[in-house]
Parts: sequence; C-alpha cells; structure tokens
Amino acid sequence: EVQLVESGGGLVQPGGSLRLSCAASGFTFSDYEMNWVRQAPGRGLEWVSYISGSGDTIYYADSVKGRFTISRDNAKNSLYLLMNSLRAEDTAVYYCARDLATGGYWGQGTLVTVSS
Amino acid sequence: DIQMTQSPSSLSASVGDRVTITCQASQDISNYLNWYQQKPGKAPKLLIYDASNLETGVPSRFSGSGSGTDFTFTISSLQPEDIATYYCQQYDNLPPYSFGQGTKLEIK
Repeated sequence: EVQLVESGGGLVQPGGSLRLSCAASGFTFSDYEMNWVRQAPGRGLEWVSYISGSGDTIYYADSVKGRFTISRDNAKNSLYLLMNSLRAEDTAVYYCARDLATGGYWGQGTLVTVSS
Repeated sequence: DIQMTQSPSSLSASVGDRVTITCQASQDISNYLNWYQQKPGKAPKLLIYDASNLETGVPSRFSGSGSGTDFTFTISSLQPEDIATYYCQQYDNLPPYSFGQGTKLEIK
C-alpha cells in the first residue's frame, strides 16, 4: 500500500526557517517524481515544487523561488522541503504528492503557521 | 505558465440532481487534466485522470470530458456524500502544474 507521511510542520516566526519531511513507503520511491502542494486556510490548492525521481530536475513556483529548496534521499525513501525566509502568506497545510500526472497519492498534510 | 479557470466557485444542488463543473485552460493541454474531490480536513482524492478516465474504485456517477482547453466534470445523480470541494489540475508537459480555483458543492 502506498503511504506518504509528512512531518515537520509547526509555528515559526516571520523570517524563520522550517524543514518538512515526507516518508514514502509501498512503492519504489526512486522511480517517481514527487511534489509539494500547499493549501492556505480556507483557500485552494497551490503547487509549490517538483523533483524528478533521480533528483536531477527541480522546479519551483514563483511564489517560493529563492526561498524554498526541495530535495530527496532515495536511500531513505524521503522527500524534503527546506523553507527559509518564511512569510505570513506561507501559512498553509503542506502536502507531498507522488507524480501529479497520475495524481493518485497524497499525504495527509502538515500545517505550517508563520506568525509572531 | 498555464492558468486554469474553474466555474462556478460554488454550487447548490439537490440530491439526485445532475451537477456540472467546467474548467478552461489558458492554452492547449491535450487531455492532461485531473479532477479531485476534497473534503474538509482531508487530502484531495483523485476521481478522474487524463480528462475522462475514472480512477479505480470511484463511483460511475462521476465522469469527465473534454480536451484541448475546455473540460467538464459531471456528477450524474448527486448523493449526500458528494458534498465537497472539487478541483481540476493540469499536468501538461513540465511544471509548473496548476489547479483551478475550486468549486464548493453544497446540498440545497
């Protein structure tokens, strides 16, 4: 059974940093591209970042470019999102999602709150 | 970047009604479109992939159609458990991927 479990969310002050993790199981992790998608409270879904199976190809949304870094450790079946220079508008539930072209597997999300 | 325009933003319908949601892409995306259902506090659930293919286990009252820039999502007979917010999402070529703004479906 495919499982994606996010962790690392919490309360952080504006300008601070946070690192999210997503533990994957039930499939060959290195075979699949992975994404982070976020949802601000009461708002819609926003794609944040993409990383290829090998980690060689990476994309970011303009809203996070230069502040967020996506990475993966295929030996540990884990996906990461390092978030720096956090702003109030980064407050959201962050989901990891496997291969949005097939779309079928998402984690349960982890809440990031940026507030003083 | 490809923009997805979804309408309506909210919809009220009665049990048994036929419900239709539309999604328009700002450029041709062939059939590279997913439809999701999201209930409060839950992750999105894939219902339709490649614009018209029903995900395994999803009831047949859900369907999708369209290609190019114009897409439609239909619930043939609305059930109480279908109350949720629905999103389209394009995955044409490479990221950035994009979602529609969502349609909040309520029971009348």
